[in-house]
Amino acid sequence: DVQLVESGGGLVQPGGSLRLSCAASGFTFNTYWMHWVRQAPGKGLGWVSRSDTDGTSISYADSVRGRFTVSRDNAKSTMYLQMNSLRAEDTAMYYCVRGGSFDLWGQGTLVTVSS
Amino acid sequence: EIVMTQSPGTLSVSPGERATLSCRASQSVSGKVVWYQQKPGQAPRLLIFGASTRATGFPARFSGSGSGTEFTLTITSLQSEDFALYYCQQYDNWPYSFGQGTKLEIK
Repeated sequence: DVQLVESGGGLVQPGGSLRLSCAASGFTFNTYWMHWVRQAPGKGLGWVSRSDTDGTSISYADSVRGRFTVSRDNAKSTMYLQMNSLRAEDTAMYYCVRGGSFDLWGQGTLVTVSS
Repeated sequence: EIVMTQSPGTLSVSPGERATLSCRASQSVSGKVVWYQQKPGQAPRLLIFGASTRATGFPARFSGSGSGTEFTLTITSLQSEDFALYYCQQYDNWPYSFGQGTKLEIK
């Protein structure tokens, strides 16, 4: 099956760190840009980051730049989101999205930042 | 950053009727607009790409149009499964940006 599966979410204290993973299957991962999008509970969607096909060109939203780092391992068909210095406002469902036509989304992984 | 503004915030329409959802960009996005449908507890689902190309799995009653800064999603003959949240998004300039969403509810 063609799918994206996120993992790694959970409850973390403010200032803490978390690493999310996005495992891809059923398509040629290394030919697609990949993205992270988040959605706070009951709120709208917001772009977090994007990565080119080999992880050499990565862009971040202003709200996460300097705190979040995206990487990808094409051999494992997996993308990662390292989140440091987490804040309450980072609480959200985090989705990975296949680039191109944005036609494939994972089911999301929930990150809760709270003391 | 390009701001995408959707209207209305909530749209109440009767089944079988037509719904028209609008999305305005703060500057031209060259037709690089996507529409998503989102239902409770689910990830967004691609509906329209490139302003007017319907995604696989959606019937012909869904259509997208527009260019420059004004875009429209039209749903004719609404079915019960169409009542959901709809978001537009531009991918012309980074950071990509979403509208705040239109909730399509049953009247």
